[in-house]
This record gives sequence, structure tokens and C-alpha cells, in this order.
Amino acid sequence: SQQGEEDPQALSIQEGENATMNCSYKTSINNLQWYRQNSGRGLVHLILIRSNEREKHSGRLRVTLDTSKKSSSLLITASRAADTASYFCAVTNFNKFYFGSGTKLNVKP
Amino acid sequence: GAVVSQHPSWVICKSGTSVKIECRSLDFQATTMFWYRQFPKQSLMLMATSNEGSKATYEQGVEKDKFLINHASLTLSTLTVTSAHPEDSSFYICSARGRAEGLLSYEQYFGPGTRLTVT
Repeated sequence: SQQGEEDPQALSIQEGENATMNCSYKTSINNLQWYRQNSGRGLVHLILIRSNEREKHSGRLRVTLDTSKKSSSLLITASRAADTASYFCAVTNFNKFYFGSGTKLNVKP
Repeated sequence: GAVVSQHPSWVICKSGTSVKIECRSLDFQATTMFWYRQFPKQSLMLMATSNEGSKATYEQGVEKDKFLINHASLTLSTLTVTSAHPEDSSFYICSARGRAEGLLSYEQYFGPGTRLTVT
């Protein structure tokens, strides 16, 4: 399969709580990126982490990468109702993107 | 900057007809464009990669005679679904990678998607 695996598939939390999503992949990678997709819409790029990096921050987002385990996690701190969306990881391998299966996050106000 | 548009945003067509979807990079030159397909509540599946002026490279399992891709210029790629059938109904998303001042060369910029429904 060209997809990675993400867990959980769905996550429901209260506003203000932190949300953690995980992504595992199979191939070697150049970098790993996280995207957000609102229902029926296009993708919005959130953050990129290179294969030689272990952790990266951007605002309320924190991404980690463990290349030995072929896994990454996305943490959204102090979640807001507006964070409700599907989140996908995508790995870059030989100039192609392969997306994970996605996590559907629901943040309840 | 780095805006990618798609047209149409949604289309309904009858079984057996062909449908063309356009993907344009509005403010940068897209040296590479990618086409993805997304089924409801599923992830994006890469269909093909196209470089300007050359033939598209299709992923395994994607019929190149059914999904015709043309990347005729540095700002336009088209996907034509030929002899469409109901099972072709899906959300089609394009993305572009290219060159422009301030553009991240490794990043793909995604279009808003086109929802195709074949009746």
C-alpha cells in the first residue's frame, strides 16, 4: 500500500485539551509533513520535519519524528473547536508524497 | 503566494461521458504536478505525477488510458476521466511543486479539489 498508517482513526476531545495523533510509515523518507483537511476541502500544509530532525514546533503544533521506528506524532496543544478536521501525515520518497490514512479530530466546545 | 486552483469545483456527468478537470498554479511556475484521488472518509491516493512537457508517470493500478493527464504548460495540468463510470465518482485533488521567490521547493501546494459524481 502506498499509504502509511495513522492512529487513532478518530479522536474526540474537549476544547482546551491536547490532541495527539500518530503516523507510521514503511519506506525510507526525505521528510515527513502533516496536513489538515476540512471536510470536503483541499489540504492545508501544517508543518514539515526533515529526516535528520527529531522534533519541531510551530505555534500550538509539535511534531516528533523517530526514523528508527518509522513513526511520527503530531501534538496540538490547547485545542480549539476550529481545530476540528482530518489530519494526514505524508512522507516524501523520491519526490512523491504518500499519505497516511488520517485521523479525524473532533474538538467539542 | 503559491495558490493552486481547480476547475470545476464539482461536476456531475452521465456514465460513458468524459470529464476534464483543470489544475492551475496561479502565481508560480509548476514544474511538477500531482493528481490524487480521495474516496469518502479515506486518505489521498497518488494517481500520477506529471512534469511539464513530458508524459505523466502513473502509480501502479491507475489506468493511464482512463485518466489522461496533460501538463502542457508550467501553470496548467489537466486530468480527463474518459468514459466515466459511477465507480469513478470521487474527490480529485491536484497539487503543484515549482519555483518562485519565497516558494519552498520541497513543498506541494494543493488545489481545493474537484468532486466528481458520475450518474
